[in-house]
Amino acid sequence: GESVGLHLPTLSVQEGDNSIINCAYSNSASDYFIWYKQESGKGPQFIIDIRSNMDKRQGQRVTVLLNKTVKHLSLQIAATQPGDSAVYFCAENWSNSGYALNFGKGTSLLVTP
Amino acid sequence: DSGVTQTPKHLITATGQRVTLRCSPRSGDLSVYWYQQSLDQGLQFLIQYYNGEERAKGNILERFSAQQFPDLHSELNLSSLELGDSALYFCASSDGQGNSPLHFGNGTRLTVT
Repeated sequence: GESVGLHLPTLSVQEGDNSIINCAYSNSASDYFIWYKQESGKGPQFIIDIRSNMDKRQGQRVTVLLNKTVKHLSLQIAATQPGDSAVYFCAENWSNSGYALNFGKGTSLLVTP
Repeated sequence: DSGVTQTPKHLITATGQRVTLRCSPRSGDLSVYWYQQSLDQGLQFLIQYYNGEERAKGNILERFSAQQFPDLHSELNLSSLELGDSALYFCASSDGQGNSPLHFGNGTRLTVT
């Protein structure tokens, strides 16, 4: 079936650097995308979302970019901090759903001092 | 704090047994979603309820069932448990009115021995 996937399973960055986490999706009918952060022992936490009528959306220290032509989604984190260390998931609206989300497998971000 | 409450936090049981996981959605949310998270499968959508009615089904086994009660809390029932059912089970909620972020609880960790 169609799925959301991630290019890199792990990413290590130095504190203060910018981080970029990438995601590929295969369902061209998806029109809503979300990034989540999951810390150990906790549930996924909403970071930022974007609809397919947009290419870019900014939040506090985070930016999501959507390239529908190549079905690619990225999350940029500015001035990465140790507290950003977590697993990051991209998700898309699930085509058969009443607004459920289909998740990728996740990227582990490790921020080193 | 997402406002979604799940109980219990941990559950240890034997193969063949039946367990019930409970979820209280965020105040005002009408829709509840259940997800299973295992190491090799990531976050898998199981089932969604909206205002007491089943709305969407994902990869939910026939041994699993769920319901949403008039007070909007939901229960996920897992029966004839197998070792492979050991996982984190997350509940999420949303208003269910359109594409919007799902808000996740901190999960129930199920261990089947």
